[in-house]
Amino acid sequence: SQTIHQWPATLVQPVGSPLSLECTVEGTSNPNLYWYRQAAGRGLQLLFYSVGIGQISSEVPQNLSASRPQDRQFILSSKKLLLSDSGFYLCAWSVPSGGGETQYFGPGTRLLVL
Amino acid sequence: SQKIEQNSEALNIQEGKTATLTCNYTNYSPAYLQWYRQDPGRGPVFLLLIRENEKEKRKERLKVTFDTTLKQSLFHITASQPADSATYLCASSGGSYIPTFGRGTSLIVHP
Repeated sequence: SQTIHQWPATLVQPVGSPLSLECTVEGTSNPNLYWYRQAAGRGLQLLFYSVGIGQISSEVPQNLSASRPQDRQFILSSKKLLLSDSGFYLCAWSVPSGGGETQYFGPGTRLLVL
Repeated sequence: SQKIEQNSEALNIQEGKTATLTCNYTNYSPAYLQWYRQDPGRGPVFLLLIRENEKEKRKERLKVTFDTTLKQSLFHITASQPADSATYLCASSGGSYIPTFGRGTSLIVHP
């Protein structure tokens, strides 16, 4: 069966510090991968998605970046965190099927920037 | 662009009653509508998908409808239980793999 891992579960970082969040998927090949952010009381904001190794599409211009160095690994990074980067970060995967794909979410990382 | 609207106010109901949550879309009729459950501090979990040409879909105590005239999907939980308390997200998707999520509606089932 497929599983998705995210780490760390929680993170407290000072403003201006770098960030690296990692997501890995097991039990599937060539998944579409996604990074979302969910602020308190807000909806899911799609940040990045990837349809293959090295292929990254950005939905929202900001100080975050994403990389997909391996088929089932998706990394979210920042060189300098802002207060506004605080939130709940979710990684998700789906099986490419031409539309209507179910998204499977990881457990999330709670990031607090102070 | 497509917008998904869900009631921001929490829905409070008594155990055993049917909970009905609403999802409205603003523009074109999406090919698919999906419903997810999200518990506090957890990632959303997929529940049901309904296609544009389907009027109703059922799974155990869950039922989803798709009304293209009203531009609306309804999500029903029959014989609700306190364990059903969570936030329920609606998402639309068309020919691409990028869904549009609503903000979700919180359901609170009182014993």
